[in-house]
Amino acid sequence: GAGVSQSPSNKVTEKGKDVELRCDPISGHTALYWYRQRLGQGLEFLIYFQGNSAPDKSGLPSDRFSAERTGESVSTLTIQRTQQEDSAVYLCASSLEVGSGSGNEQFFGPGTRLTVL
Amino acid sequence: DAKTTQPTSMDCAEGRAANLPCNHSTISGNEYVYWYRQIHSQGPQYIIHGLKNNETNEMASLIITEDRKSSTLILPHATLRDTAVYYCIVRGKYTSYGKLTFGQGTILTVHP
Repeated sequence: GAGVSQSPSNKVTEKGKDVELRCDPISGHTALYWYRQRLGQGLEFLIYFQGNSAPDKSGLPSDRFSAERTGESVSTLTIQRTQQEDSAVYLCASSLEVGSGSGNEQFFGPGTRLTVL
Repeated sequence: DAKTTQPTSMDCAEGRAANLPCNHSTISGNEYVYWYRQIHSQGPQYIIHGLKNNETNEMASLIITEDRKSSTLILPHATLRDTAVYYCIVRGKYTSYGKLTFGQGTILTVHP
């Protein structure tokens, strides 16, 4: 596709349920990033992938959060036993490669708005 | 990554240039200055980045001082659609593996 896509756009779930959020990066982008943005706050980095590997998972807020990427393409962020504090917009971004410099700017998707009741 | 300081908010009249400052006094030689913006309810949008030289693209210009301790993003002819939160971010070329650290940014309001 032309840009990063995410699904669903909105998700309402009950406390304690598991949710899966999907990200489809720009074709050919090897790097993929997940961020979280709580209402009225800045973006919080969660995890990044280089290819299908996630070298650093330290940004994930708890062990209820996990992510995977397959085929150097689609990524899924899974939140188990959701809590109300998990309510936020979850944003995915991709770039040609990991790191800074020309050509490695990150392109963001529209986000998934998660509401935990 | 170097810390950045931006004004909390700014106003600009439609059609005029918007000049958004950013201080990054602890920036090191291999760190880039990036600018992103976030329009309400949308994901962040890349605007421009630079290392030492001034840069210009179809969206904006980036002016980096000679000592690299500050920079200014210029939107030459602001429109109402440019109303957004603008983030100045410093990223190391060889560190931080590309992670973007967003601060509070500057809320730019463009008015008629």
